[in-house]
Amino acid sequence: SQQGEEDPQALSIQEGENATMNCSYKTSINNLQWYRQNSGRGLVHLILIRSNEREKHSGRLRVTLDTSKKSSSLLITASRAADTASYFCATDEDSGYALNFGKGTSLLVTP
Amino acid sequence: SQTIHQWPATLVQPVGSPLSLECTVEGTSNPNLYWYRQAAGRGLQLLFYSVGIGQISSEVPQNLSASRPQDRQFILSSKKLLLSDSGFYLCAWRTSSTGELFFGEGSRLTVL
Repeated sequence: SQQGEEDPQALSIQEGENATMNCSYKTSINNLQWYRQNSGRGLVHLILIRSNEREKHSGRLRVTLDTSKKSSSLLITASRAADTASYFCATDEDSGYALNFGKGTSLLVTP
Repeated sequence: SQTIHQWPATLVQPVGSPLSLECTVEGTSNPNLYWYRQAAGRGLQLLFYSVGIGQISSEVPQNLSASRPQDRQFILSSKKLLLSDSGFYLCAWRTSSTGELFFGEGSRLTVL
């Protein structure tokens, strides 16, 4: 079942700008993960943040997690045309074996 | 290093025909295996997962079934396809019940 829900559904920015995507979820989690999907391809893992962490960085990516609000955000700084893709959050629930994915944010970065 | 292979990459099948999608993982033992389906412009819907040989859990009632005949092989099947089975099918694995998922390149199924 889907738990994460990303916002906005679509985002269009210019190269060099920052892109922020948000994710909300409903139940308690072990961790929250962000994935990227290029058109017609499989998903690629970007970053994982555990429930006891509040912020995590990886290169140009910054993820925050607020468990009290059941929300997370993904920030891509200094975006590039190659960042054009769909981005999904996925939650790892306490009692589950599988990740539950949201519907994704479609990011378009124009040169 | 670990790799995941999924095939066929694309297929077009008539309504009522059977289906078999195959996924194999290399370079790891006893992975958790998953089948997801992605409808056009939508998120991922978990169909099946397996924590071991012969152990299959189904997340949604549907026209599909899954099998795990070997440790690193996961097969998605249907006896009679429906139009609603069209979509992008993704196989994935991970080494435990938590942690990141590694996805295959997907199989795009069109049922006509």
